[in-house]
Amino acid sequence: GEDVEQSLFLSVREGDSSVINCTYTDSSSTYLYWYKQEPGAGLQLLTYIFSNMDMKQDQRLTVLLNKKDKHLSLRIADTQTGDSAIYFCAEKGRPGTYKYIFGTGTRLKVLA
Amino acid sequence: NAGVTQTPKFQVLKTGQSMTLQCAQDMNHEYMSWYRQDPGMGLRLIHYSVGAGITDQGEVPNGYNVSRSTTEDFPLRLLSAAPSQTSVYFCASRRLAGGLSNTGELFFGEGSRLTVL
Repeated sequence: GEDVEQSLFLSVREGDSSVINCTYTDSSSTYLYWYKQEPGAGLQLLTYIFSNMDMKQDQRLTVLLNKKDKHLSLRIADTQTGDSAIYFCAEKGRPGTYKYIFGTGTRLKVLA
Repeated sequence: NAGVTQTPKFQVLKTGQSMTLQCAQDMNHEYMSWYRQDPGMGLRLIHYSVGAGITDQGEVPNGYNVSRSTTEDFPLRLLSAAPSQTSVYFCASRRLAGGLSNTGELFFGEGSRLTVL
């Protein structure tokens, strides 16, 4: 069945890099996403990657996609206290599929 | 634009009571959906809609009803609340048109925290 898995917690020191990992199961996914949820708020799209890409860089964010292993990662360089949040990995299936599968979320805590 | 607006933000119900969570979006999005967020379980899809008059079930639809009479509104109804429905509920919408240039980004409301005693 469809499933997206993430570790639940990650703690890093301010200034270090954070790497959040995700594994997914639907090889037909067209887009994969990283959403950020700050305390008491809804989810906001942080970045995404199209399934025919291996890597995407956006300022401090680097997304790596390994389609063979169905593994997605999000690297945050120079992590700041404002990056403390829950990060969700999500996949969207082939065109015409309206369902998204979200992971359990990884709570990132940045220590000053 | 206000984006996706959910009301109420907080609600406490007794077992067996009914209520409606409201969701409205002003982005003219065709697609609207409801998720529930529970600790350690991520977001699970309850119901979704791809346009006015069209609704479909998600992963956990039991105990919930929806309707879509307008493009803007997508209310979620709990007919007889149960403690298992204690959760944080999120409404999300997205544009369906645009072909390959549409990345499928979901826009979320701020959530409605429901407690059923």
